[in-house]
Amino acid sequence: AQSVTQLDSHVSVSEGTPVLLRCNYSSSYSPSLFWYVQHPNKGLQLLLKYTSAATLVKGINGFEAEFKKSETSFHLTKPSAHMSDAAEYFCVVKDSSYKLIFGSGTRLLVRP
Amino acid sequence: DAGVIQSPRHEVTEMGQEVTLRCKPISGHNSLFWYRQTMMRGLELLIYFNNNVPIDDSGMPEDRFSAKMPNASFSTLKIQPSEPRDSAVYFCASSLASANNEQFFGPGTRLTVL
Repeated sequence: AQSVTQLDSHVSVSEGTPVLLRCNYSSSYSPSLFWYVQHPNKGLQLLLKYTSAATLVKGINGFEAEFKKSETSFHLTKPSAHMSDAAEYFCVVKDSSYKLIFGSGTRLLVRP
Repeated sequence: DAGVIQSPRHEVTEMGQEVTLRCKPISGHNSLFWYRQTMMRGLELLIYFNNNVPIDDSGMPEDRFSAKMPNASFSTLKIQPSEPRDSAVYFCASSLASANNEQFFGPGTRLTVL
């Protein structure tokens, strides 16, 4: 069965500094991986997705993630945090043609 | 497009009452999903419809929960009778049925059962 582990429940950065949100996955075959963001009291929005094309995936709002098969990782990064990036981020693996398996989430705090 | 529409956005009810949550998927999408989000269990898939037909309801917690999709533009999730442990945020999502298509999520319904 597929699974994802988000290694940090909370990450705190200063505005203008880099962001790193870590995710490891477990999959018996080549996975489809996603990062979703959830702002307070809002639904989930897709940031980016990996579907076995380029290993470095660029998403919206300056985020990107690199698929590393050897490390079974799909970490999310952004060069410079903005206050509006404060939200909860979910790493997600697709378990079948339709089923998404969500990580436990990482809450990103951005200090002024 | 207005995106996935859910109503109500907030619902407060008393234990034992019937609760009905509503969802309008994005026009043209043929897959619809209901999820539940709680602090303890995170985001869980409750049920998946494809072309209005329930394909996977293995996530539905128990018989008190039921979901219907009478047409391509409307779905309901009903809880009867409701219990305090049903308190959660319920999300509806829709997509085109293809392996790599993303699911678009609605804003959610925050349910509180007293």
